[in-house]
Amino acid sequence: DIQMTQSPSTLSASVGDRVTITCRASQDIGHWLAWYQQLPGKAPKLLIFKASNLQHGVPSRFSGSGSGTEFTLTISGLQPDDFATYYCQQNNSYSRTFGQGTKLEIK
Amino acid sequence: QVQLQESGPGLVKPSETLSLTCSLSGGSISGYYWGWIRQSPGKGLEWIGDIYYRGITNYNPSLNNRVTMSLDTSTNQFSLKLTSVTAADTAVYYCARLHFAFDVWGRGTTVTVSS
Repeated sequence: DIQMTQSPSTLSASVGDRVTITCRASQDIGHWLAWYQQLPGKAPKLLIFKASNLQHGVPSRFSGSGSGTEFTLTISGLQPDDFATYYCQQNNSYSRTFGQGTKLEIK
Repeated sequence: QVQLQESGPGLVKPSETLSLTCSLSGGSISGYYWGWIRQSPGKGLEWIGDIYYRGITNYNPSLNNRVTMSLDTSTNQFSLKLTSVTAADTAVYYCARLHFAFDVWGRGTTVTVSS
């Protein structure tokens, strides 16, 4: 199985900051990487698909990059609604895998 | 727009079978994969499996062959069965559409395994 490892597990930042979350795959997954945002008590929301494609309706301050085994999610100009937990997920194989999550907290 | 709604018992006894249904509105089951994901209390997301509209299934191997998924194109519903449940299966269960990624999600349903 492909393992997905996110870092950091927790990130403290302030409104207006630029933050980056990293996701590493245990083997090459090409561009088959998605990022999700989950607010407490809510279902996850798709932000980015195929590593760098912004889902319709998602603000442009969210961006994704990477390929192969290393990927990043960047949020430029943090807004209050962005403090949430973020997950990466691979769709390269028929056994999909999520990262363990990164909790973005207010500093 | 496409909406998903999970339904099923909120309480299941240990060793019994958990059964959930996801109902689709505003779209068609045809042409997509449909998945189940769960989240144990305070934990991360775990992919359970998914099913193509033609009936091809992919399951998480860590669930030790306890999972069965099915779908009904005539009713726009798909289902999850998880056998021999234990307390470790207590979670919020989500259904979702897979289109490059899980792009549409249900609100989730809480299932507690307890006697």
